[in-house]
Amino acid sequence: TQLLEQSPQFLSIQEGENLTVYCNSSSVFSSLQWYRQEPGEGPVLLVTVVTGGEVKKLKRLTFQFGDARKDSSLHITAAQPGDTGLYLCAGDTGTASKLTFGTGTRLQVTL
Amino acid sequence: DAGITQSPRHKVTETGTPVTLRCHQTENHRYMYWYRQDPGHGLRLIHYSYGVKDTDKGEVSDGYSVSRSKTEDFLLTLESATSSQTSVYFCAISGGADTQYFGPGTRLTVL
Repeated sequence: TQLLEQSPQFLSIQEGENLTVYCNSSSVFSSLQWYRQEPGEGPVLLVTVVTGGEVKKLKRLTFQFGDARKDSSLHITAAQPGDTGLYLCAGDTGTASKLTFGTGTRLQVTL
Repeated sequence: DAGITQSPRHKVTETGTPVTLRCHQTENHRYMYWYRQDPGHGLRLIHYSYGVKDTDKGEVSDGYSVSRSKTEDFLLTLESATSSQTSVYFCAISGGADTQYFGPGTRLTVL
């Protein structure tokens, strides 16, 4: 079974601060995705990273895929209250587009 | 937004009763998935389908069965609900390019 561990589990910060969320595994994934989930809704895809060492930017969010394709990070610059939510990483298992999800990081950004 | 609906959105039932959750898509995607989401566990795959009448088990399939008689519908059945099956259930679809699109979820409480 491929496992993905996320850290930290909870993060409460003030508006304007920077933060990094980590997603680690002992398994190699062909691709890794990050989702954000808001209360009462399903997860929504933010980004997919495919190549080892790849860095993708989405406005104030920077995503990195580790060189060995076993880990990833999400960095948010100058967090805003609208960034509040549950962040989930997910690795592609290579079969039937199945994903293995991480345990999640719950982020709260206050004014 | 991907056309995915789940019904019912909320359900309260008693231990030992059968329960069926429905997922309906309008995207004609090949793959469909059922997950459960519990605190501290992220999203865990229950069953998935890779075509009409083609289904397979996920990591937490015990106590659950599924059926897919049409491309657009994927049913999840709890034959005899138990309190441990109290959870939020999400359906997802994929066209095969890794990305999964999630429905709004069904909150199930088994008393």
